[in-house]
Amino acid sequence: DGGITQSPKYLFRKEGQNVTLSCEQNLNHDAMYWYRQDPGQGLRLIYYSQIVNDFQKGDIAEGYSVSREKKESFPLTVTSAQKNPTAFYLCASSYSGNRRQPQHFGDGTRLSIL
Amino acid sequence: QQQVKQSPQSLIVQKGGISIINCAYENTAFDYFPWYQQFPGKGPALLIAIRPDVSEKKEGRFTISFNKSAKQFSLHIMDSQPGDSATYFCAASNAGKSTFGDGTTLTVKP
Repeated sequence: DGGITQSPKYLFRKEGQNVTLSCEQNLNHDAMYWYRQDPGQGLRLIYYSQIVNDFQKGDIAEGYSVSREKKESFPLTVTSAQKNPTAFYLCASSYSGNRRQPQHFGDGTRLSIL
Repeated sequence: QQQVKQSPQSLIVQKGGISIINCAYENTAFDYFPWYQQFPGKGPALLIAIRPDVSEKKEGRFTISFNKSAKQFSLHIMDSQPGDSATYFCAASNAGKSTFGDGTTLTVKP
């Protein structure tokens, strides 16, 4: 089955610690995205990548970093500079370019502060 | 600046009733308007989508109505069922990048 796998499902961060959230897709999509979801708010874009070895900041990139070394993988690091990291993080992928296509989402990682 | 405004924030409907969720956008460059359904603890999943050259699209009990001049679009769920209880997000996309509304939590009472 094709899809997006996010791991872990739950993650706890200590003060001053960096943590990395994993996202893998086997849909052969070029574009991948990271969103943050807080209660009562929509999905806010953190980073996106349209192609391997290239990525752009979204609306709330401060305190986060990403890499895109492989087409299938787009890990997100929540750094100690992100002072309010508690949220539900969603990874998505889609065909890139001007095609009118939906995004496909993983089932998220819930990050909490210890 | 919020580019996609969604209302209402929450909605309670009786089983068999019609659920209506509205969205408005500002950027006329958007060219694809999907709706996503999200259950607790899961990621959003595409429900139905429309292009701006179409005024209405229907798939089963779900219909999108699109008003390009007013820059508004809405989701209608006919014969709402308890299994439809979820959070619904509208989105507006351009070149693959999407802007989402804040979501509507729908509760369908049996």
